[in-house]
Amino acid sequence: DTGVSQDPRHKITKRGQNVTFRCDPISEHNRLYWYRQTLGQGPEFLTYFQNEAQLEKSRLLSDRFSAERPKGSFSTLEIQRTEQGDSAMYLCASSVGQGDEKLFFGSGTQLSVL
Amino acid sequence: DQQVKQNSPSLSVQEGRISILNCDYTNSMFDYFLWYKKYPAEGPTFLISISSIKDKNEDGRFTVFLNKSAKHLSLHIVPSQPGDSAVYFCAASGEGGATNKLIFGTGTLLAVQP
Repeated sequence: DTGVSQDPRHKITKRGQNVTFRCDPISEHNRLYWYRQTLGQGPEFLTYFQNEAQLEKSRLLSDRFSAERPKGSFSTLEIQRTEQGDSAMYLCASSVGQGDEKLFFGSGTQLSVL
Repeated sequence: DQQVKQNSPSLSVQEGRISILNCDYTNSMFDYFLWYKKYPAEGPTFLISISSIKDKNEDGRFTVFLNKSAKHLSLHIVPSQPGDSAVYFCAASGEGGATNKLIFGTGTLLAVQP
């Protein structure tokens, strides 16, 4: 169990640029989640995958955000035309996929949009 | 609408004493509750959980109590240690749907003084 891995750890970009983050879940985990956390807030749900299928997207996920999980393995989260309000910690989590269960989180990608 | 609330942004406790962190929720459909611990620049780490069919769950120094009628849960840490200093998030799931996504509170910063 190597844990959930996220890359990069930090990303600084200029407003209007596109950014992409990667998440590698724990290998036997079927479920994968993306969350966003801003200062003073708890993690907020963005989207969820069961294997390769994206089953739910939050209203927080505007049209500029897209997530994929090809072949049910790693996942990517892309933000197009970044805005300063996108600055946050983006957290990925995975779980086994059986009933009530805990999520295992990665260390996150800290995005700063200048 | 904040469905999971942690009304105390911070708590300071002396080493060796008991730390009590509180959490309230509004959605009666929640049926699984978790506590996560978070250090700066790291992702949340699972601490302890409780199902709605129970009113207490204990794991070493950590005990979670659930009062369904009051829609309230608490985390007790005894004895508190300096290494427990972190932000603690309460989370809940079961609001409906198949995602089992977690809804987080805003967190309580615990400082354990040596």
